[in-house]
Amino acid sequence: DTGVSQNPRHKITKRGQNVTFRCDPISEHNRLYWYRQTLGQGPEFLTYFQNEAQLEKSRLLSDRFSAERPKGSFSTLEIQRTEQGDSAMYLCASSFSLSYTDTQYFGPGTRLTVL
Amino acid sequence: TQLLEQSPQFLSIQEGENLTVYCNSSSVFSSLQWYRQEPGEGPVLLVTVVTGGEVKKLKRLTFQFGDARKDSSLHITAAQPGDTGLYLCAGAANSNSGYALNFGKGTSLLVT
Repeated sequence: DTGVSQNPRHKITKRGQNVTFRCDPISEHNRLYWYRQTLGQGPEFLTYFQNEAQLEKSRLLSDRFSAERPKGSFSTLEIQRTEQGDSAMYLCASSFSLSYTDTQYFGPGTRLTVL
Repeated sequence: TQLLEQSPQFLSIQEGENLTVYCNSSSVFSSLQWYRQEPGEGPVLLVTVVTGGEVKKLKRLTFQFGDARKDSSLHITAAQPGDTGLYLCAGAANSNSGYALNFGKGTSLLVT
């Protein structure tokens, strides 16, 4: 069990550029979540997949954000036309829906800085 | 909107002292998790509680879930510098489409 991994760990980009982040969940986990965390705040839910289906999106997920999980394994989160307000830590978590508690395990995050 | 209120927001104590962190909500949660997060890293799971009134112990950490499943507390006995970090509580509400976690803002603990 290697845990949840995220790449890259850090990304610096200029305003207006597109960025893409990748998340590899724990191998047997069928649920995958994306969260965003800004300084001084707890993580805020963005979106959730069960297998390859995107089942829930937060109102925080604007039209510039898109997430995919094409084969029900890894997931990507793309932000188009980045804005300075997008600067945050982007966290991925995974869980196994048939476990008693469906506990979510987090990756190390991707720190995005938009200049 | 943060549905979970954590207190205190900041706590600075000396090694060996005891402390309690509180997590309160007006909502009922099907389960509640406590995580610890260090700067630049993702949250690391400490415990999951699911039953009202449940008490779980993890070495020097004691977690309690309120009877009504709306609040929780974390008590640390004889704190050590390695306990320093951001403690986050997160509640999962029943949902037909999943269990998106609602987080508190966290309690930042410094043990010196």
